[in-house]
Amino acid sequence: KQEVTQIPAALSVPEGENLVLNCSFTDSAIYNLQWFRQDPGKGLTSLLLIQSSQREQTSGRLNASLDKSSGRSTLYIAASQPGDSATYLCAVRPIFEGFQKLVFGTGTRLLVSP
Amino acid sequence: NAGVTQTPKFQVLKTGQSMTLQCAQDMNHNSMYWYRQDPGMGLRLIYYSASEGTTDKGEVPNGYNVSRLNKREFSLRLESAAPSQTSVYFCASSEGSRDRGDLEQYFGPGTRLTVT
Repeated sequence: KQEVTQIPAALSVPEGENLVLNCSFTDSAIYNLQWFRQDPGKGLTSLLLIQSSQREQTSGRLNASLDKSSGRSTLYIAASQPGDSATYLCAVRPIFEGFQKLVFGTGTRLLVSP
Repeated sequence: NAGVTQTPKFQVLKTGQSMTLQCAQDMNHNSMYWYRQDPGMGLRLIYYSASEGTTDKGEVPNGYNVSRLNKREFSLRLESAAPSQTSVYFCASSEGSRDRGDLEQYFGPGTRLTVT
C-alpha cells in the first residue's frame, strides 16, 4: 500500500531564504505527483503537477523535482516571502490502487517571518 | 468560473442526525471525489465517481453514501452522524475517466463538520 511521508512537519525561516520541502513515497508505480498549498481554514490550491515521465516542473519561484526510482520529490521555493506561509501537501496517484485515488502526505507547515 | 463549490462551509450536528454535503463543479469534468482531512492523517478518499451515473468506494466509505446527481453535482450523505465523522470534507473533480489516471484534481474550499 502506497504511503507518503513529508519531512519536516514544520519549518520556520526568515524572509528571503531559499528552502526545500521533501516528500517521499513507498511505491514508484505512480501516474503523477502533485504539490498543493493549503492556507489555514481553506481548501487546497494545486501548485505543480509532475507526470511520472517528467523530472521537474517550474512555476514562478517554485520548482518541483521527481525521482521516481528513489521515491522522492522536492519542492524548492526561492526567495521565500511571508505570503508563502501555509501548509504544503504532496500527493501521488498510484497505478495499482485504483488510479482515481490520490494518496496524500500529512504536510509541511511553513512559516516565513518578515 | 467558480471551479468546485461546496455547501455548507460549516456544520454542527448532534450524534444520530443526518445531513447532505453538496458539491458542484462547472469545468465539465467527468470525475468527482470526496475526501476527508483529519489531523495527522492526511486526506483520505471516501467515495468517487469516475463518470456520470457511476460511484465507487474509496478508502474510508463506512458511514457515508453518495449520489452523482448529474455531471455537475456529487453529494455526500451522512445517514446517522457519529463523533468519529468530525472532519473537514473536500470535494474534488478532474477531467479523468476510468482510462485516464494522469489528470490533475481540483479541490473545493471544504466543509468543516463537527459532530457532538
